[in-house]
Amino acid sequence: GDSVTQTEGLVTLTEGLPVMLNCTYQSTYSPFLFWYVQHLNEAPKLLLKSFTDNKRPEHQGFHATLHKSSSSFHLQKSSAQLSDSALYYCASSSSSFSKLVFGQGTSLSVVP
Amino acid sequence: DPKIIQKPKYLVAVTGSEKILICEQYLGHNAMYWYRQSAKKPLEFMFSYSYQKLMDNQTASSRFQPQSSKKNHLDLQITALKPDDSATYFCASSQEDRGGGTEVFFGKGTRLTVV
Repeated sequence: GDSVTQTEGLVTLTEGLPVMLNCTYQSTYSPFLFWYVQHLNEAPKLLLKSFTDNKRPEHQGFHATLHKSSSSFHLQKSSAQLSDSALYYCASSSSSFSKLVFGQGTSLSVVP
Repeated sequence: DPKIIQKPKYLVAVTGSEKILICEQYLGHNAMYWYRQSAKKPLEFMFSYSYQKLMDNQTASSRFQPQSSKKNHLDLQITALKPDDSATYFCASSQEDRGGGTEVFFGKGTRLTVV
């Protein structure tokens, strides 16, 4: 079945430094890839979604590029902010009725 | 205003008992889901429903039974509760089309603790 791998469990960064969270996937088909963000005691919310036409999605300063050759969809931001501290999930979906397959999640902690 | 309402927010249950988790969505979506998040596992898909019809079931145990009395309503009944069932259960919804890849909206979750 489909799977998503996030190699970092915890990332601690100083405010202002660049962010890069890794995500690779395995799928029989060409899935849609997503990044969801979950702040403490809140619901997960969509941050980014891959496009079918290879455009690079961007939101709140975050961007991600789908590389089919390496099966990756890494999340990046040029300058971390304290408010970016949250749990980030990479997810894939190969079917309708949005059965999302989530990675283990990466907890991002941005410190002053 | 929250558009996906889950009740209760917190729930403590005794091992062996039965509980029902409530979910209603007011986004007008045609699909609803249950996901589970525990300390040991990431967010995990459980069920998907569309217009009160079960579309997919990835839960091995029959102790978990979704119930849909209206198309915007999807409850989760859990019987013979075990401590391993302790988790946060998220209800979610989306507006599905044939293209797939639609955004899934999540409720705030019900945190279940089984003692």
